[in-house]
Amino acid sequence: AQRVTQPEKLLSVFKGAPVELKCNYSYSGSPELFWYVQYSRQRLQLLLRHISRESIKGFTADLNKGETSFHLKKPFAQEEDSAMYYCALSSSGGGNKLTFGTGTQLKVEL
Amino acid sequence: DAMVIQNPRYQVTQFGKPVTLSCSQTLNHNVMYWYQQKSSQAPKLLFHYYDKDFNNEADTPDNFQSRRPNTSFCFLDIRSPGLGDAAMYLCATSSGTATNEKLFFGSGTQLSVL
Repeated sequence: AQRVTQPEKLLSVFKGAPVELKCNYSYSGSPELFWYVQYSRQRLQLLLRHISRESIKGFTADLNKGETSFHLKKPFAQEEDSAMYYCALSSSGGGNKLTFGTGTQLKVEL
Repeated sequence: DAMVIQNPRYQVTQFGKPVTLSCSQTLNHNVMYWYQQKSSQAPKLLFHYYDKDFNNEADTPDNFQSRRPNTSFCFLDIRSPGLGDAAMYLCATSSGTATNEKLFFGSGTQLSVL
């Protein structure tokens, strides 16, 4: 069975500091990994997915199969980055079924 | 804007009293999902529909049922809610079933059981 682990419930950084939100996974197949974000009073939405190899709002995430990790990084945190971040893994089998981690609340302080 | 709409935003029901949560979408997506998220926990998939094909997760209690009368609407029925069913219920859609598909979420319905 697949599992996604986000070890930090809360991460607090100062504005302008680097950010790294940790995500580790276990999955026997070839993983598809995502980061979803929920800003205050907004719905859960996709931030980025590893297959796109893109940078969204300055965030990047690299899939490291050796360490089974998909950490989310940003070099300089902004106040508007404060949100709840969920790492998720997709398994196949009749639907894009996401397994979520428990989330990390990022708080960017001035 | 095309989107996923959940009503109501907050729902209070009594222990054992059946309750229905609704979800509609204007995206014309083939797949609709229901997730349950308890406090401080990860969202957990209950079931999903691909068109009219219903797919139940193995550990979803029998107390939870779903209906999808057409492409736009999907309902979550809880036949006899218990205190442990109090949670945020999230509806989501995707265009297809490829594993790299983006999911579009509704704002959720917060269910309280008294």
